[in-house]
Amino acid sequence: DVKVTQSSRYLVKRTGEKVFLECVQDMDHENMFWYRQDPGLGLRLIYFSYDVKMKEKGDIPEGYSVSREKKERFSLILESASTNQTSMYLCASTNPGSSGNTEAFFGQGTRLTVV
Amino acid sequence: QKEVEQNSGPLSVPEGAIASLNCTYSDRGSQSFFWYRQYSGKSPELIMFIYSNGDKEDGRFTAQLNKASQYVSLLIRDSQPSDSATYLCAGGSYIPTFGRGTSLIVHP
Repeated sequence: DVKVTQSSRYLVKRTGEKVFLECVQDMDHENMFWYRQDPGLGLRLIYFSYDVKMKEKGDIPEGYSVSREKKERFSLILESASTNQTSMYLCASTNPGSSGNTEAFFGQGTRLTVV
Repeated sequence: QKEVEQNSGPLSVPEGAIASLNCTYSDRGSQSFFWYRQYSGKSPELIMFIYSNGDKEDGRFTAQLNKASQYVSLLIRDSQPSDSATYLCAGGSYIPTFGRGTSLIVHP
């Protein structure tokens, strides 16, 4: 019954490392999103994608990039990890509907710690 | 900036009471609204969605939407300790925009 899967539940990386967070959905959804969630700040949108090879910046894209080579897979890349990128990262997917998006399905989250 | 605003709480209610969670939004283009529940350390899961003005009921949960006032609410009847969680309100036309969440504590 798994719908959105993130590659890691917990990650510990060193400052300056390149970090890859993978997300795969099996619902054939068009839209995929990466959020980070920090206490008191809620869910903040990093990047999103409407289609294969298409990406758009969200509210906080600095220090991140993304890749969507296949419809079901959306990767978040931290080019050079920094301690202020320690956070919970959530991947989500939706489909466009007649009244805007359908509900967002979330992965289980990746708790990233940068030391 | 299209925003969804929620009171962060915590909202504390006794077991069996009605919990009322509120949300306002700034994007008049938003057509659909969602309430998610998030337990500590877990990812959000959908409780209810609402598209039309008025009330929508599902078991112990009632969602209310007032587009003129740009206001969405969630009522939880007969609150249980297992309802203790953070509740996220979300809107947005095509990009889900989330409020910061309201922490609900249901005490026995």
